[in-house]
Amino acid sequence: SQTIHQWPATLVQPVGSPLSLECTVEGTSNPNLYWYRQAAGRGLQLLFYSVGIGQISSEVPQNLSASRPQDRQFILSSKKLLLSDSGFYLCAWSVSGGFDEQYFGPGTRLTVT
Amino acid sequence: RKEVEQDPGPFNVPEGATVAFNCTYSNSASQSFFWYRQDCRKEPKLLMSVYSSGNEDGRFTAQLNRASQYISLLIRDSKLSDSATYLCVVNPSGTYKYIFGTGTRLKVLA
Repeated sequence: SQTIHQWPATLVQPVGSPLSLECTVEGTSNPNLYWYRQAAGRGLQLLFYSVGIGQISSEVPQNLSASRPQDRQFILSSKKLLLSDSGFYLCAWSVSGGFDEQYFGPGTRLTVT
Repeated sequence: RKEVEQDPGPFNVPEGATVAFNCTYSNSASQSFFWYRQDCRKEPKLLMSVYSSGNEDGRFTAQLNRASQYISLLIRDSKLSDSATYLCVVNPSGTYKYIFGTGTRLKVLA
């Protein structure tokens, strides 16, 4: 069966510090991968998605970036965090080539102070 | 108009009640539809996909109305454990993106 991992689970970072969140998927090949952010009390905002290694589509131009160095690894980064980057970051995967269900990781709760 | 719209609620219902949520979408070419459940401070979890013919899973029934561009979720015999936020999700045709509604909060009262 497929599983999706995210770490860390929680993170408190000062403004201006860098960020690296990692997501890995097991039990499937060539998944579509997604990063979302959910601000407190708000809906999910799609940040990036990837349909293959090195292929990243950005939905929200801001101080975040994403990379997919391996088939089942998706990384979200920032060089300098802003207060507005606080939120619940969720990684998700879906089957390649289809429009099937998405499955989410447990998320990382980021607080920028 | 938002791509996916939901009544935010909250819907407060007694145990055993039947409750229904609707979700409207703007892209008539959308081809995949889902309902997710999200508990407080947790990740969304797939509740059910929504098929053109409608589908049922135990106490949960989902319907799709393409003509009016909405999907619905019916919960029968509500349980306390059904208390959560229910997210409507639409996949527009020809894209790999999933558009999430902001969710409908349900609180089932003892």
